[in-house]
Amino acid sequence: GQQLNQSPQSMFIQEGEDVSMNCTSSSIFNTWLWYKQDPGEGPVLLIALYKAGELTSNGRLTAQFGITRKDSFLNISASIPSDVGIYFCAGRPSNTGNQFYFGTGTSLTVIP
Amino acid sequence: NAGVTQTPKFQVLKTGQSMTLQCAQDMNHNSMYWYRQDPGMGLRLIYYSASEGTTDKGEVPNGYNVSRLNKREFSLRLESAAPSQTSVYFCASSEYGGRVREQYFGPGTRLTVT
Repeated sequence: GQQLNQSPQSMFIQEGEDVSMNCTSSSIFNTWLWYKQDPGEGPVLLIALYKAGELTSNGRLTAQFGITRKDSFLNISASIPSDVGIYFCAGRPSNTGNQFYFGTGTSLTVIP
Repeated sequence: NAGVTQTPKFQVLKTGQSMTLQCAQDMNHNSMYWYRQDPGMGLRLIYYSASEGTTDKGEVPNGYNVSRLNKREFSLRLESAAPSQTSVYFCASSEYGGRVREQYFGPGTRLTVT
């Protein structure tokens, strides 16, 4: 299957700091999605991206669809304690119809 | 509007037992999916159904079967459970085609096979 490399694996930051994480694929994607998962819950969709270069914000979160269509980035500005959780990227390759592939997640810890 | 619902929330099985995980969505989506989530492995696709009446294997289909009962419901069956199937199972749905190609997840079923 498709390989999605998500980094970093984990982050420990001080409240108020900005956060950046990224995801790269081995093939071209036509959709990138970013999710947040709290313990014991299902992933919740944060941002969806549909074309190369697209930059989309959702409050303090901003995500970008990379120009090469093989990567995507998520930034969180001015982190707060409730940002704690695991963030997943997911992508839909151009040639596989309706399948989505997921990164292994970035675990974020915010220290008050 | 409940989104995606899953039952049960928790289940413990003995090796060799069978069970069916239920999933329903009320968003009128065409596509539905079953994933499993294991520590450090992210989410891996077991089976999906692009539309009512069709099902396809994903990345890890062995040991599972699915049924797309109607547009709303998509079930996952373990015929003979094995300890390797201990995992958290998530159902998801999305619209197929058009601009809206986002997936929405249920709360998960936590399965332990002893």
